[in-house]
Amino acid sequence: SSELTQDPAVSVALGQTVRITCQGDSLRNAYASWYQQKAGQAPILVIYGETSRPSGIPDRFSGSNSGNTGTLTISGAQAEDEADYYCSSRDSSGNVVVFGGGTKLTVL
Amino acid sequence: EVQLVESGGGLVQPGRSLRLSCAASGFTFDDHAMHWVRQAPGKGLEWVSSISWNSGRIGYSDSVKGRFTISRDNAKSSVYLQMNSLRPEDMALYYCVRDRNYDLHYGMDVWGQGTTVIVS
Repeated sequence: SSELTQDPAVSVALGQTVRITCQGDSLRNAYASWYQQKAGQAPILVIYGETSRPSGIPDRFSGSNSGNTGTLTISGAQAEDEADYYCSSRDSSGNVVVFGGGTKLTVL
Repeated sequence: EVQLVESGGGLVQPGRSLRLSCAASGFTFDDHAMHWVRQAPGKGLEWVSSISWNSGRIGYSDSVKGRFTISRDNAKSSVYLQMNSLRPEDMALYYCVRDRNYDLHYGMDVWGQGTTVIVS
C-alpha cells in the first residue's frame, strides 16, 4: 500500500513538545519528509531524509523513523508553529510519491 | 534567487485540455527531479506526477494516469504538465516543486506559488 496516515489534528501548549506521526508501509523502505503549510501559503520543507533540516529551519524541528512510522517532533513549540503538517514518502518502485492527509497543529 | 514560476492555469470545460508550464531559475535545473503537486480548496496536498533529472523515471498518481503527461526541457529549465480529459475533481491549485534529489524522491525543497485550474 502507498498510503500514509496522519492524525487530523493535534494540539500543544506553548513551549511544550509535540510529536506528529505518519504511518505507512512505504516508510519501511524510505524516509518520510515533512512539510509545514500556513494558511494561504505554499508548503515549506522542514525535514528530509528522516532527520535532516534545510537551512533556516529551527533546530526545534526534528524527525525520526521506526518501522512503518515516521515522527516529526517540535521541541518547545512556538506560536508561529501553528500550521498544517504533511508527511511524504515514495513507494518501493520509486516511481510513486504519496502524501499523508495532513495534521493541523494548534498551539495553545 | 531560487525560483519556480508556474503558468498556464485557467478556466476550462470538462473533457478539455490544459498545459501547465513551470520556469525554473537560480539553480542547476538538471541536478533535480521535479514534481507537480496539487491542492483542492480546503483539502490536503496531493502528489500528481514526478520526473527525474533525465526523464528516465516518471510517475503518476492513479487519479491522473493515462490523462496527464509530465515532461521537461533541461535546455529551457522548464517542466510541463499536459492535462487531457479534465474532470471537475482536477480543479485545484497546482504547484511545481523541486526535489533535493536528481532521481528518487528525497524531499521537496522548493515550491512555486502555484497556478489555479478550474474545471467547470
